[in-house]
Amino acid sequence: DVKVTQSSRYLVKRTGEKVFLECVQDMDHENMFWYRQDPGLGLRLIYFSYDVKMKEKGDIPEGYSVSREKKERFSLILESASTNQTSMYLCASSSRGTHGYTFGSGTRLTVV
Amino acid sequence: GENVEQHPSTLSVQEGDSAVIKCTYSDSASNYFPWYKQELGKGPQLIIDIRSNVGEKKDQRIAVTLNKTAKHFSLHITETQPEDSAVYFCAASIREYGNKLVFGAGTILRVKS
Repeated sequence: DVKVTQSSRYLVKRTGEKVFLECVQDMDHENMFWYRQDPGLGLRLIYFSYDVKMKEKGDIPEGYSVSREKKERFSLILESASTNQTSMYLCASSSRGTHGYTFGSGTRLTVV
Repeated sequence: GENVEQHPSTLSVQEGDSAVIKCTYSDSASNYFPWYKQELGKGPQLIIDIRSNVGEKKDQRIAVTLNKTAKHFSLHITETQPEDSAVYFCAASIREYGNKLVFGAGTILRVKS
C-alpha cells in the first residue's frame, strides 16, 4: 500500500524552538509539497520540491524552510516557532507526469 | 496567480438527498480540477478529478462538471449516506512543472440520518 508518512501526529513545542517536521514517501515521486491547513482558509502551500535538493517557495513561506536531501524525504523546518504557526501541517507527493497528490495524515502542531 | 473560491462553507443534507459543492477559479490556463475528501483525523484523499478537455465525469454516486467558459466546476453527490460526512476540497492546477495545486477553502458536509 503506497503511502506518505509524517513522523508525528501531534506535536507541542515552545515559542522560539526549532521544529522539524518529517515526511517520507515510498512511491518514488519526484514532487513533494508542504501545506498548512487552517479552518476557513483551506490548504495553503508553504514550500514544494520538484527533485532532490530543489525547493521552491509556495504562497506562505515566511518563517519556514525545507530540506530535500533524498528523493523520498522532505522536511519542513520552523527556524523559531511562533504561536501563529500553530496549525495542521500536511505533506503530499506526486509524480512528475500526473497531477494527483497523495497526502499524509498530517501533523497537528501546537506552539505554546 | 490562481485563486479558487469554494461554496458553501458548510452544507447539511438529509440522508438520501443530493449535495452540490461549487468552485470557481481565476486562471483560464488551469487544466486539472481534482476533488479531495478529508475525514476526521486523516489527510485529504482524491475522490474524483476532471481535466479541461472533458465537461463531465461520473464515478458511481459522485460526479464532477466543468464549465470552462464560466470558469467553474462542481461536485455532485447523489443518494448521500452518513459516511459521506467529511470536509471536501476542490483544487485547480496549471500544467506547469510540479503541477502545483491551489485549493479552495473547503466545505463541511454533514449528512443527517
